[in-house]
Amino acid sequence: QSALTQPPSASGSLGQSVTISCTGTSSDVGGYSLVSWYQHHPGKAPKLLLYEVSQRPSGVPDRFFGSKSGNTASLTVSGLQAEDEADYYCNSYAGRGWVFGGGTKLTVL
Amino acid sequence: QVQLVESGGGVVQPGRSLRLSCVGSGFTFSAHAVHWVRQAPGKGLEWLAQLWSGGNYKYYADSLKGRFTVSRDDSKDTAYLDMNSLSAEDTAVYYCARDGQLFAPYSLDLWGQGTTVIVSS
Repeated sequence: QSALTQPPSASGSLGQSVTISCTGTSSDVGGYSLVSWYQHHPGKAPKLLLYEVSQRPSGVPDRFFGSKSGNTASLTVSGLQAEDEADYYCNSYAGRGWVFGGGTKLTVL
Repeated sequence: QVQLVESGGGVVQPGRSLRLSCVGSGFTFSAHAVHWVRQAPGKGLEWLAQLWSGGNYKYYADSLKGRFTVSRDDSKDTAYLDMNSLSAEDTAVYYCARDGQLFAPYSLDLWGQGTTVIVSS
C-alpha cells in the first residue's frame, strides 16, 4: 500500500483548465476502475468529487472531469473558479484496502 | 441531517491508548461500510481502515502494524477506532467517512469534521 503519486502543486488562471495526475501501479489504479477524487479545503471535511474514475455525485459541477489510462488517473478542472483553490487527493481501491495520493495543492491565479 | 460526527480526540501520552467514536445520523448507518482516515500536520490524507456493514470484514493499512482496531455498534449508529501504543507519529486529525456503497461504490461519499489527536508527554 504505497501512496499514489501526485504532483505537489498545480496552478491555473481564472477560467482556464488544469489537470492533476495520479500514478499508481497495476495493484491499485491500473487494476481497478475504482479511483475517486476529493477536494479538501483546510479545516473542513473533504468532499467527494468523482468516483469510479469519472462519475460525479449529484451536486458536483461538470467542470470536474476524470479519466484513467493504465496506471495513471487524471482530474481535469475546467473553467477555474476562485473557490476551486484547495487540496486535491486521488484515492484507489487496492484489493485489500484503499490508498490515497499525496495530494496536490491547486492555486487559482 | 445526513452527517457523521467524530469524538474522542484529545491529548494522550506516548504508549497509551485511545478510542475514537463516529456517530452517523440521517441515513441507514448499518447499510454502509465505514472508513477511517487521518491527516497529520502538514501532511496528506492517509487511509487507515475500513469496516464493512455487518462488521464481519475489515481492512487495515499495512503501516498500522496491528495497533489499530475498528468496530461498530449499529444499534447505536456508531463506529469505533481503537488505537494502541500511540506515538508522536499518530498525531493527526482523524476522520470517519461513509462508503458510498450502491450509489458511489468504493468511495468515501460523506465525511465527518474530524477529531484531533495529539500524542505528547
